[in-house]
Amino acid sequence: DAKTTQPNSMESNEEEPVHLPCNHSTISGTDYIHWYRQLPSQGPEYVIHGLTSNVNNRMASLAIAEDRKSSTLILHRATLRDAAVYYCIPNTGGFKTIFGAGTRLFVKA
Amino acid sequence: DVKVTQSSRYLVKRTGEKVFLECVQDMDHENMFWYRQDPGLGLRLIYFSYDVKMKEKGDIPEGYSVSREKKERFSLILESASTNQTSMYLCASSLPGLAGGPGTGELFFGEGSRLTVL
Repeated sequence: DAKTTQPNSMESNEEEPVHLPCNHSTISGTDYIHWYRQLPSQGPEYVIHGLTSNVNNRMASLAIAEDRKSSTLILHRATLRDAAVYYCIPNTGGFKTIFGAGTRLFVKA
Repeated sequence: DVKVTQSSRYLVKRTGEKVFLECVQDMDHENMFWYRQDPGLGLRLIYFSYDVKMKEKGDIPEGYSVSREKKERFSLILESASTNQTSMYLCASSLPGLAGGPGTGELFFGEGSRLTVL
């Protein structure tokens, strides 16, 4: 299984962009990169996924390095509601989605 | 919107009791999963099911069983609850993998059931 490395925590000011990095240097060529987040006292929720190209949706943008060994989740304007644990997960196509420790994002008003 | 509903948000049970945790999804998803989440250990997969009456062990199946008699419902059973099963239990569902093959696409989680075993 591909291993990921994420910062334990990050801090942002409200209304500012946030860049959440993830290293996945052992990812295989066919593994999608998924991002989930978990708000306090809730189950994780899907944020975005990508394979090679950068991706945008209403929640965030995903920038994938050309060599696919790293990716960055971008929240364009952080709000207090974005305070959560963010998980970067290579999707190997199997049934076992491995959630690591993730990055805890703190947003200051 | 996909909805995954877990029957109880909070439960308190006694050691040795049989515990049922129910999960229902309303989007006709083939795959369903049970995870538990503990501080410092993250989310760990207990069991999953890719079709009605089909079940597969995850990483920590000991002390648990599951039932999937209908596509929309996946139940987690603790035959004899123990204190080390005190945890947050999370149910999820998904369509098949992104390439249309096996595995899982986007996971949709319920709000969780916090179980305390005394």
